[in-house]
Amino acid sequence: KQEVTQIPAALSVPEGENLVLNCSFTDSAIYNLQWFRQDPGKGLTSLLLIQSSQREQTSGRLNASLDKSSGRSTLYIAASQPGDSATYLCAVSGAGSYQLTFGKGTKLSVIP
Amino acid sequence: NAGVMQNPRHLVRRRGQEARLRCSPMKGHSHVYWYRQLPEEGLKFMVYLQKENIIDESGMPKERFSAEFPKEGPSILRIQQVVRGDSAAYFCASSPLRDGGYEKLFFGSGTQLSVL
Repeated sequence: KQEVTQIPAALSVPEGENLVLNCSFTDSAIYNLQWFRQDPGKGLTSLLLIQSSQREQTSGRLNASLDKSSGRSTLYIAASQPGDSATYLCAVSGAGSYQLTFGKGTKLSVIP
Repeated sequence: NAGVMQNPRHLVRRRGQEARLRCSPMKGHSHVYWYRQLPEEGLKFMVYLQKENIIDESGMPKERFSAEFPKEGPSILRIQQVVRGDSAAYFCASSPLRDGGYEKLFFGSGTQLSVL
């Protein structure tokens, strides 16, 4: 059974800092990995999707990496802004499966 | 282009009542997924539907829960005889027709169910 763990559970940083969020999964036989942002009352927004054959994806100030063999992914946020404050979720889908297995998330607070 | 629409946003029920949660997928999307987020827990898959078909309901509790996605109208998640443990945020997601691979999911804003 796939399990996804996100560390830390909460993180508070001053504005402008670069930061890294971590995600680990127990079964390396994944189809892809996705990072989401969850804002209170606004549902989930997909940030980056990495296929299992890829090593990383970039979008603006965000960069996500994937090391399938070690069961790890990181989300790097450059030059953090107060608007980045949200809960960040990592989710994986298994090979041949459409079900996403989510971590519990990292709650990020960027202090002005 | 409207996103995935869920209603109501908040639903309060007393124990023993029925809860009906609605989800209208994005235009052109024929696949609907329901996920539940319990307090302090990650989102858990519940059910995957296509029009008029339940593809996978392996994440649904065996009793009191049912889901449908009719030919016309929104997808409905129905919870009968609600209990306090059903209190959670219920999210719906949709995706376009799959070509054999995983398609990116688009999530709604969720329905927060509170059982008194």
